[in-house]
Amino acid sequence: EAGVAQSPRYKIIEKRQSVAFWCNPISGHATLYWYQQILGQGPKLLIQFQNNGVVDDSQLPKDRFSAERLKGVDSTLKIQPAKLEDSAVYLCASSHQGAKLFFGSGTQLSVL
Amino acid sequence: GENVEQHPSTLSVQEGDSAVIKCTYSDSASNYFPWYKQELGKGPQLIIDIRSNVGEKKDQRIAVTLNKTAKHFSLHITETQPEDSAVYFCAASGAGSQGNLIFGKGTKLSVKP
Repeated sequence: EAGVAQSPRYKIIEKRQSVAFWCNPISGHATLYWYQQILGQGPKLLIQFQNNGVVDDSQLPKDRFSAERLKGVDSTLKIQPAKLEDSAVYLCASSHQGAKLFFGSGTQLSVL
Repeated sequence: GENVEQHPSTLSVQEGDSAVIKCTYSDSASNYFPWYKQELGKGPQLIIDIRSNVGEKKDQRIAVTLNKTAKHFSLHITETQPEDSAVYFCAASGAGSQGNLIFGKGTKLSVKP
């Protein structure tokens, strides 16, 4: 069974630029999550989708972050404009009916 | 909201010894407690989890214990091997949303051959 796929693996941008990350969950997993992991810390939930609807986006900085999950499968997370403090690993995870979470390898973002 | 504290931040053991990592949580409504292992450059991988209606769970060399009264849970790894070296995270979530996991800050485990 294929795991959660994410791209790109690495991204370096300058502050105030925009960036987008892509995630393809495990086939059949209706729930998709985006987490932010700052160096030396545990992951923090940004947004949770159930199919193509948002379940929880209470910790998403909506003035600069946006996410969508068209057709209830793939998802993109966008940051515009980026700030220095957005440097982190962005992890995508999926689960089947709210059960165990499976994480992708993440996108490491460096904002200079 | 929920807060999860994890100790120690680093742990070094000799191969074959046991390793114990402890976590405490603040929200008594939390009922799901997974443990993740994260290797360098990879995403977290679920290694074991426990629900609040169970006090202990074991899977080969890994075990987790939960004390609901004291609001703490622990990961025990026996007969450690060099491949156990990684960062381990505990997490907790409340009823209704297992995906909204609140993670500890992680423990970097080093197993010396």
